[in-house]
Amino acid sequence: QVQLVQSGAEVKKPGSSVKVSCKASGGTLGSNSLNWVRQAPGQGLEWMGRIIPMLGVTNYAQNFQGRVTITADKSTSTAYMDLSSLTSGDTAVYYCARDQDMPVVPLTYWGQGTLVTVAS
Amino acid sequence: DTVMTQTPLSLSVTPGQPASISCKPSQSLLHSDGKTYLYWYLQKPGQPPQLLIYEVSNRFSGVPDRFSGSGSGTEFTLKISRVEAEDVGVYYCMQSVQLPPTFGPGTKVDIK
Repeated sequence: QVQLVQSGAEVKKPGSSVKVSCKASGGTLGSNSLNWVRQAPGQGLEWMGRIIPMLGVTNYAQNFQGRVTITADKSTSTAYMDLSSLTSGDTAVYYCARDQDMPVVPLTYWGQGTLVTVAS
Repeated sequence: DTVMTQTPLSLSVTPGQPASISCKPSQSLLHSDGKTYLYWYLQKPGQPPQLLIYEVSNRFSGVPDRFSGSGSGTEFTLKISRVEAEDVGVYYCMQSVQLPPTFGPGTKVDIK
């Protein structure tokens, strides 16, 4: 069973950047998408973007274009989400979620979440 | 982007009674490959979402058979035949027929 283990909580200043990691323990990042989804306090789920690790292809939601960068290191089975120019509106729990390979099912396996707090 | 509308937004259910949640996307989720890319997730308090149903009606591994999904095109339903205490949380529908994947606002289910 693939488990996704994310890095710990972060507190950041407005205008700074945050980098959250997501390591697949007991397996790989898979042959399909590794997605990032965020959830503001008391709010719903918002897809940010994805990477297909085998191809290095990325897609980003329009809301985050230019501010988010998703990368993956296949050698360590770790994906990263880098978000810049942080504001208080970016305070949220950030989740990574991996697709199941066969059959392909999106956002099947989720990390435990990483709380990012943006405050001065 | 495809907008996902869920109703109701909250539901209070007596244990052992059925529950039903509706999800209506702003456009058809039927892909040219013949599949319909509609999913249901449950987020229990303090946990990440967990997949319940994929492609409208397929229960994911380990999901109890009291959960069922149905629908087509632009109208979908998640049904719980007999609600149990462990079913409390927020239920989300999600589409992935096109990027970006989008989620409904969630339906909060609690026990009476």
